[in-house]
Amino acid sequence: QKEVEQNSGPLSVPEGAIASLNCTYSDRVSQSFFWYRQYSGKSPELIMSIYSNGDKEDGRFTAQLNKASQYVSLLIRDSQPSDSATYLCAVKSLGGGGADGLTFGKGTHLIIQP
Amino acid sequence: DTGVSQDPRHKITKRGQNVTFRCDPISEHNRLYWYRQTLGQGPEFLTYFQNEAQLEKSRLLSDRFSAERPKGSFSTLEIQRTEQGDSAMYLCASTPHSNTEAFFGQGTRLTVV
Repeated sequence: QKEVEQNSGPLSVPEGAIASLNCTYSDRVSQSFFWYRQYSGKSPELIMSIYSNGDKEDGRFTAQLNKASQYVSLLIRDSQPSDSATYLCAVKSLGGGGADGLTFGKGTHLIIQP
Repeated sequence: DTGVSQDPRHKITKRGQNVTFRCDPISEHNRLYWYRQTLGQGPEFLTYFQNEAQLEKSRLLSDRFSAERPKGSFSTLEIQRTEQGDSAMYLCASTPHSNTEAFFGQGTRLTVV
């Protein structure tokens, strides 16, 4: 059973500070990792993907992957009130049996305090 | 708009009725996925298609659920004899290849009363 774990929060961060979101996964053969942002009542919006160990930066967002520790994180620099949302970590494995779809965590609710 | 499109956006139905949802993926994407999301949970995988072939079904997809993608373009998800537990957001996503980013439609929110 593939599992993706996230702290549900809420995680409260002052405006302008760095928000750090964490995710662990159970399936060692996982190959692809994604962060989605979801506003209340809306569908998930892809914000970052990462496929290899290390850091990947895109604007204010940095994704970090450590496959040995089965850990992926998302940093949001200069947090803005508009970043307040639920952040979903999603993991994809290659091949084998079971679903080809993404396995999602329950999400972390992030609140940016003005 | 070249994104994933879902219709309807909202559906209220009485228990026991059948409902059908439609998804139009991004045109060049040959993989199409259906997910279900309930309050406080992440999306859960239901099924996916590569072109017109349905390649995987989750154990969540009971025999009341059926999905089709007849011409490898749009897809439909039908729920027969709806139950209150079917109330959820039904999400469709598409991707050009297995291991690349998936983009979601706006979702269809189903309420069974």
